Formats: sequence, structure tokens, C-alpha cells
Amino acid sequence: QITLKESGPTLVKPTETLTLTCTFSGFSLTAGGAGVGWIRQSPGKALEWLAFIYWNDDKRYNPSLESRLTVTKDTSKNQVVLTMTGMDPLDTATYYCAHRLTTVTMKVDVFDFWGHGTKVAVSS
Amino acid sequence: ETALTQSPGTLAVSPGETATLSCRASQTIRSRCLAWYQQKSGQAPRLLIYGASTRATGVPDRFSGSGSGTEFTLNISGLEPEDFALYFCQQCGNSPITFGQGTRLEI
Repeated sequence: QITLKESGPTLVKPTETLTLTCTFSGFSLTAGGAGVGWIRQSPGKALEWLAFIYWNDDKRYNPSLESRLTVTKDTSKNQVVLTMTGMDPLDTATYYCAHRLTTVTMKVDVFDFWGHGTKVAVSS
Repeated sequence: ETALTQSPGTLAVSPGETATLSCRASQTIRSRCLAWYQQKSGQAPRLLIYGASTRATGVPDRFSGSGSGTEFTLNISGLEPEDFALYFCQQCGNSPITFGQGTRLEI
């Protein structure tokens, strides 16, 4: 059974750096094709993909945020960490980590298991 | 960036009826890499469909997806009370990954 859980601060100040941790179980990020993505959702708004990290340590970022994002993994701890610099009130959102869909025949960048999400507010 | 436009924004239907949700892409989505999610208030999204038409594990067969290129559809037949929620499409065929703005299905 795959589970993911996000953790991190609920409140950050403008210009600060946000660090979120995704702790997962039920799969290994060393398995071929595995990946974990980060997605956020501003209040009442659509979903926005942020970043992806794959089993081979390949990393992909949303170009609109790439200069502010870093994603890393610690396979020994079954964790993925997302950092976002220069936080702004517009970054107030619920942040999700999610498992990349992998089947016998397909490995695609869609998300079949999600964490519950962690709400982050940016305010002074 | 591939923009996804979902229509309608809100769809009012009755239990037992069929709902048809549309997702239009600004450019052709490669490999039919199009997924649909359901989101209920206060919950994370749930994957319903991937590869445009393949149901995810545990998804009832009243949910069906179709389409290719730039036009994709999610059909929900015999609506159950638990189906009234927010639905998003997502494409992964073109970089970067993008989501539609959502269709709210309401009674």
C-alpha cells in the first residue's frame, strides 16, 4: 500500500525559503521508473505542477518556477525534499506530493497516489 | 506550455443522469498522455483515468475517457451522489505538465 505524507511549516514570511518533506512508504525510489512529484493548489484555484524527481535522480521543474525550486531525495529515509526560495504571499497554497504512476506496461507522469497535502501560508 | 481548457466550468445534473466533461488542449498532446482526476472538498485529487481512456485501479466503470490530439472527454454515466465533485484534466505529453482549471459537477 502506497502512502505519502507532506510535512513542513504552516507559515512562512515573505522572502523566506520553504522546505517541505515528503515521507513515503509502499514503494522504492530506487526502482526503475519510480518518481515523486510536487503539485500545489492555491485556495479555490487549479492545480499547478512544481517539480518531479525520478529513480535515476533526474529532476524536472516547472519553467515558471524553476529558478526558485530544488528537489532532492533520500532513498535511505524514503523521503523527498522540496525547497522553494523567495516565498511570496502568492505562494500561499496547499502543497501535495504524489507518486508517479507505474504499471507493467506504462510509466507516465501522472499521479496515482497523493499525500493529504500541507497548507502553507505566506505572511509577515 | 500546453494550456488545458475545461468546459463547462460548472455542470448541473441529477443523480442517474450522464455527465460529459470536456478538456481542450492548446496543442496536440503527445502519446495521448491525458489524465482525469476527481477532487472532493478538503481532499487530495484522485486519479480516475490515464492514457486518455484507461481507468485507474478501483475506478467504477461508469467513468470513461476518450479523445486524442487536442480534444478529450470524460463521461460519467448513471451519476451517483458521491460523483458530485470537482474534476481536473492533466496532460503529461508535453513539457511542462499542466492541469485544466476544473469542472465542478453539482446537483
